[in-house]
Amino acid sequence: GENVEQHPSTLSVQEGDSAVIKCTYSDSASNYFPWYKQELGKGPQLIIDIRSNVGEKKDQRIAVTLNKTAKHFSLHITETQPEDSAVYFCAASSSSNSGYALNFGKGTSLLVTP
Amino acid sequence: GAVVSQHPSWVICKSGTSVKIECRSLDFQATTMFWYRQFPKQSLMLMATSNEGSKATYEQGVEKDKFLINHASLTLSTLTVTSAHPEDSSFYICSGGTGADRGYGYTFGSGTRLTVV
Repeated sequence: GENVEQHPSTLSVQEGDSAVIKCTYSDSASNYFPWYKQELGKGPQLIIDIRSNVGEKKDQRIAVTLNKTAKHFSLHITETQPEDSAVYFCAASSSSNSGYALNFGKGTSLLVTP
Repeated sequence: GAVVSQHPSWVICKSGTSVKIECRSLDFQATTMFWYRQFPKQSLMLMATSNEGSKATYEQGVEKDKFLINHASLTLSTLTVTSAHPEDSSFYICSGGTGADRGYGYTFGSGTRLTVV
């Protein structure tokens, strides 16, 4: 089955700096790679996603890059703000998963200090 | 956008009782509903996948007789934790999928915090 590795597990940056979170996946059949932000006690919130036929996608301060050959994808947050502090999860969908379910990385706890 | 309404948001129950969690897709038809469990400071772990009108497919290690999933309609899926025990205390999250086989359509509910005492 799919295995998604995520690094780092914790990340602390100063307000205004950039934050980068990286994930690798094992299943070459994976075709959809979303990133979620989860605040304490709440469900995951989709912040950006990318499909396997695209190498990069950007939405204001957030961008995601995908390298299919190397099987890794990254989340980039620029000009970080304290409200960006949360746990971020990467995920991958694959035909090898039941119903194309998402497999999640272990999460990155991001802290943005003023 | 697509919304999945999940209730209750939190529940406390006595050991040995059953608890039902509901997820409703409000403005789309969820052909597939995924159920996840998340322990504190851990990732989301897939418990089961259900398609409307079919039996759920459970992940290895998840007891199907303990976690009953019903997906009787395209807008409603329920998870019933039967004979709950303290070790079942967790955060349960549903996700409605449409066209997941084409790589899109995962809308998450807000989660249910279950505490078994």
